[in-house]
Amino acid sequence: GENVEQHPSTLSVQEGDSAVIKCTYSDSASNYFPWYKQELGKRPQLIIDIRSNVGEKKDQRIAVTLNKTAKHFSLHITETQPEDSAVYFCAAGGYSSASKIIFGSGTRLSIRP
Amino acid sequence: SQTIHQWPATLVQPVGSPLSLECTVEGTSNPNLYWYRQAAGRGLQLLFYSVGIGQISSEVPQNLSASRPQDRQFILSSKKLLLSDSGFYLCAWSENAGGRWDYEQYFGPGTRLTVT
Repeated sequence: GENVEQHPSTLSVQEGDSAVIKCTYSDSASNYFPWYKQELGKRPQLIIDIRSNVGEKKDQRIAVTLNKTAKHFSLHITETQPEDSAVYFCAAGGYSSASKIIFGSGTRLSIRP
Repeated sequence: SQTIHQWPATLVQPVGSPLSLECTVEGTSNPNLYWYRQAAGRGLQLLFYSVGIGQISSEVPQNLSASRPQDRQFILSSKKLLLSDSGFYLCAWSENAGGRWDYEQYFGPGTRLTVT
């Protein structure tokens, strides 16, 4: 089955700087890669996702890149703000329960003022 | 619009006691339903998923079970809780387009379970 590894587990960046979180996956059949943000005491919410037919997707200050050959994908947050402080989860999976969505272990991002 | 409810919000139970957590979804039909556990400082561990009434798949062998008695109701149960069952339990749903998984999952508010 799918195995997703996420790094780093904690990340602290100065406000205004960029943050990068990286994930690797094991199942070459995976073709859907969502990212979820979980603020303290709240539920995870989808912030961006990418499918295997594209290499990069951007939404304002957030971007995700995918390298299918190397089986890794990354989340990039530019011009970080205090409200970006949260736990971020990557996930990988496919169309069916044979390649279900599996989450990484999470990255706790802290933005220093 | 769709909403997802979980209750109770918090629960403190002694070791060996039974457990029943309930999740209901409104505003959609035949959703995929999921139960996750999030241990303190850990990731999201998929426990069970369901693609239809009475269809339950277990991901992790343990003393927990799940049932889906109605289309939009998902229940997580245990006959005897262990200390290791403590954690934050999240229910989630996603659109079921032919059983596909590659759609956004919408999480409920969660139940924080402490086993003493």
